[in-house]
Amino acid sequence: EPEVTQTPSHQVTQMGQEVILRCVPISNHLYFYWYRQILGQKVEFLVSFYNNEISEKSEIFDDQFSVERPDGSNFTLKIRSTKLEDSAMYFCASSTRTGLGELFFGEGSRLTVL
Amino acid sequence: DQQVKQNSPSLSVQEGRISILNCDYTNSMFDYFLWYKKYPAEGPTFLISISSIKDKNEDGRFTVFLNKSAKHLSLHIVPSQPGDSAVYFCAARGSGSARQLTFGSGTQLTVLP
Repeated sequence: EPEVTQTPSHQVTQMGQEVILRCVPISNHLYFYWYRQILGQKVEFLVSFYNNEISEKSEIFDDQFSVERPDGSNFTLKIRSTKLEDSAMYFCASSTRTGLGELFFGEGSRLTVL
Repeated sequence: DQQVKQNSPSLSVQEGRISILNCDYTNSMFDYFLWYKKYPAEGPTFLISISSIKDKNEDGRFTVFLNKSAKHLSLHIVPSQPGDSAVYFCAARGSGSARQLTFGSGTQLTVLP
């Protein structure tokens, strides 16, 4: 069964460092998303991406965040200068051509900022 | 922002009995609702969904009910199995071009053998 894969599974970084989280969405999906879950809190939407551009973003997704689809398979989330409060589980998701229906999530990348 | 609310953080049910998980929403522009299951250290896994034009959708042991007038949906699992023990998230999607999901805070379901 096709699945969304994410790397790394866990990254520890120092405050102020840049972090790149990588995702390989399901191959025939065209909509891509990043969500995050801070420990003990709900899953929160960060950004959606379609046709090589951001289609929606939340207020969490400020100038420190960026997304990119550098090739035909990868979808990345970059945090330029990490803060302590960026520590969270980051989930990548993708959905079908129409963007309707369910989102398929990866297993997440745990980011710990020290 | 509490557009999707799951007021019960936890629920314990005996194996074989029915589990009922509840979810309320405030945004009348939501037109599609989903339930996800999440195990520790894994991503959310899609379970079942319902469009706002329906009031019930069934898939095996899982049934979702939608009451639009009350802005309430529920997930019924029957019979409950120990493997169903997980956190269950209710999620909603708005109409129009926005396709992102708004999640509730989750309910930890424990099915006791």
